[in-house]
Amino acid sequence: GQQVMQIPQYQHVQEGEDFTTYCNSSTTLSNIQWYKQRPGGHPVFLIQLVKSGEVKKQKRLTFQFGEAKKNSSLHITATQTTDVGTYFCAGRGGSNYKLTFGKGTLLTVNP
Amino acid sequence: NAGVTQTPKFQVLKTGQSMTLQCAQDMNHEYMSWYRQDPGMGLRLIHYSVGAGITDQGEVPNGYNVSRSTTEDFPLRLLSAAPSQTSVYFCASGFGELFFGEGSRLTVL
Repeated sequence: GQQVMQIPQYQHVQEGEDFTTYCNSSTTLSNIQWYKQRPGGHPVFLIQLVKSGEVKKQKRLTFQFGEAKKNSSLHITATQTTDVGTYFCAGRGGSNYKLTFGKGTLLTVNP
Repeated sequence: NAGVTQTPKFQVLKTGQSMTLQCAQDMNHEYMSWYRQDPGMGLRLIHYSVGAGITDQGEVPNGYNVSRSTTEDFPLRLLSAAPSQTSVYFCASGFGELFFGEGSRLTVL
């Protein structure tokens, strides 16, 4: 079945440093979504990417979808303590209704 | 609008007991799904539904049943609870963007 791998599993940064998490799928995806989960909370939708090579920005967050639609990345510029949480990618392949999540990257930020 | 409402928030069961986790949404979404979250495992799909009367299995369906009699409700039933089902369960609604409930923390002793 479809597998979505995400690295790194953990990332600790100093406030102000940049952060990147990477997502790779075993199969071509029709779209990829990103979610953020604060400690003790529930996942919250950040963005969906659909097109090959797509790049989207939300303030300090930059999302990319690979040309082959098998990988994606989330980059945060100049992290803040409010960025703390686990970031998940989730991919859907072809006509598949199932959304498969990566295991997530836990980001901690030292003020 | 309440969005996605899950109950109960916490539950302790003994091995072999059965229970139902309730999930209701008020956004008129056809697509609903249940995930379980375990440390280091991310979110794993248990069951999903693409509309009333239509359900299908996800990655980890064993030990769980679902039904979808209305668009609003998508309950998850544990038939005979096992310690391996200790987890946090999330109900989600929507397709292009998932809206998650606040979660149900289940402990099976």
